[in-house]
Amino acid sequence: QKEVEQDPGPLSVPEGAIVSLNCTYSNSAFQYFMWYRQYSRKGPELLMYTYSSGNKEDGRFTSQLNKASQYVSLLIRDSQPSDSATYLCAMSAGTGANSKLTFGKGITLSVRP
Amino acid sequence: DTGVSQDPRHKITKRGQNVTFRCDPISEHNRLYWYRQTLGQGPEFLTYFQNEAQLEKSRLLSDRFSAERPKGSFSTLEIQRTEQGDSAMYLCASSLTGVGNIQYFGAGTRLSVL
Repeated sequence: QKEVEQDPGPLSVPEGAIVSLNCTYSNSAFQYFMWYRQYSRKGPELLMYTYSSGNKEDGRFTSQLNKASQYVSLLIRDSQPSDSATYLCAMSAGTGANSKLTFGKGITLSVRP
Repeated sequence: DTGVSQDPRHKITKRGQNVTFRCDPISEHNRLYWYRQTLGQGPEFLTYFQNEAQLEKSRLLSDRFSAERPKGSFSTLEIQRTEQGDSAMYLCASSLTGVGNIQYFGAGTRLSVL
């Protein structure tokens, strides 16, 4: 079993849809959680960063973290064609010696105009 | 702030050749990470530096791979005797301690081994 499991894709939705992307993890040592967006042939771009259970909102994006149940999700409201990309969840066990990121496999999202 | 810069963007080489990639982190970032990403997968950790010290290496980093960060600024990743299985995107990220260690990624170097 991989440490981080991400819902398989790809995912195709119409413009304006609400999209929910989910990751579960098995390593209870993970404390810091991120969502990255990666366009084709580009590097990952940080979208959201959180370390506390609960919701964190930034514009059309909301991250939801539940440490007790060991899952993290990303909600995209009013999705736009420009949101078409691969979304990666990532997590680390610390900010010091355990700062390396462990990623999910990624899910490719396509938003149809 | 020019972001994390990687060079070259794309490298094509023949099996058995040596290749070297360069990463320039965001200025004043004291940590630098290397990851490898194959098609359809998330990035996998290879190694990281704090200043010039290499603090952790993944088991993925075979003895054909070596990384350096000689003056705590830019870093190089060298692969000796490349194999077709080395074909991947090599990503570099940098961060600053004390700011949640948020890692910012470069655009990557895509390696194709023929």
